[in-house]
Amino acid sequence: DAGVIQSPRHEVTEMGQEVTLRCKPISGHNSLFWYRQTMMRGLELLIYFNNNVPIDDSGMPEDRFSAKMPNASFSTLKIQPSEPRDSAVYFCASSLSSEETQYFGPGTRLLVL
Amino acid sequence: AQSVTQPDIHITVSEGASLELRCNYSYGATPYLFWYVQSPGQGLQLLLKYFSGDTLVQGIKGFEAEFKRSQSSFNLRKPSVHWSDAAEYFCAVGPLTGTASKLTFGTGTRLQVTL
Repeated sequence: DAGVIQSPRHEVTEMGQEVTLRCKPISGHNSLFWYRQTMMRGLELLIYFNNNVPIDDSGMPEDRFSAKMPNASFSTLKIQPSEPRDSAVYFCASSLSSEETQYFGPGTRLLVL
Repeated sequence: AQSVTQPDIHITVSEGASLELRCNYSYGATPYLFWYVQSPGQGLQLLLKYFSGDTLVQGIKGFEAEFKRSQSSFNLRKPSVHWSDAAEYFCAVGPLTGTASKLTFGTGTRLQVTL
């Protein structure tokens, strides 16, 4: 039973480059959440989707960040252009839209130089 | 607005000793409460959750938590800690709506276990 799958697990890039993080939710789950974790700010919700529709993107820090969910089994979080302060661990989580319990992926550790 | 406070940033216990991690929440309605654990370099794993019924809930790995409405608390306990329990623990609260929605996480408590 595969859990939430995220790729890549690690990403090192240079400032100004575009970064794309990918997430495959648990099969059958129709809600998807993107979080960012840093030492300074802890775990922050960036955006979440229900049935592929963005419900709340108030946590997206800037226009440089965008997220899409083209279908029920795939989502991307894009940062363009990336900056050193975007360095963090980005988690994807999924759940059934009828439940509150979220299941987390292993995270993508992003380092922007 | 909902909020979660984990007053202990870092706790050290000896292996075999009992453990209690504190969590206080602020929420205007009936909350849905969670404890997650994060091992180094890993994602968050659900330990247990509470939304109604018996106020003492059992979770995985021998953990339990007790919901106390009068104290707005949801403390996590384990009678005997194992070295493998060393990790970071997060308490979270969400609305009891029956639908997926935003969870608010505490800042976490890092548990160190000495042998």
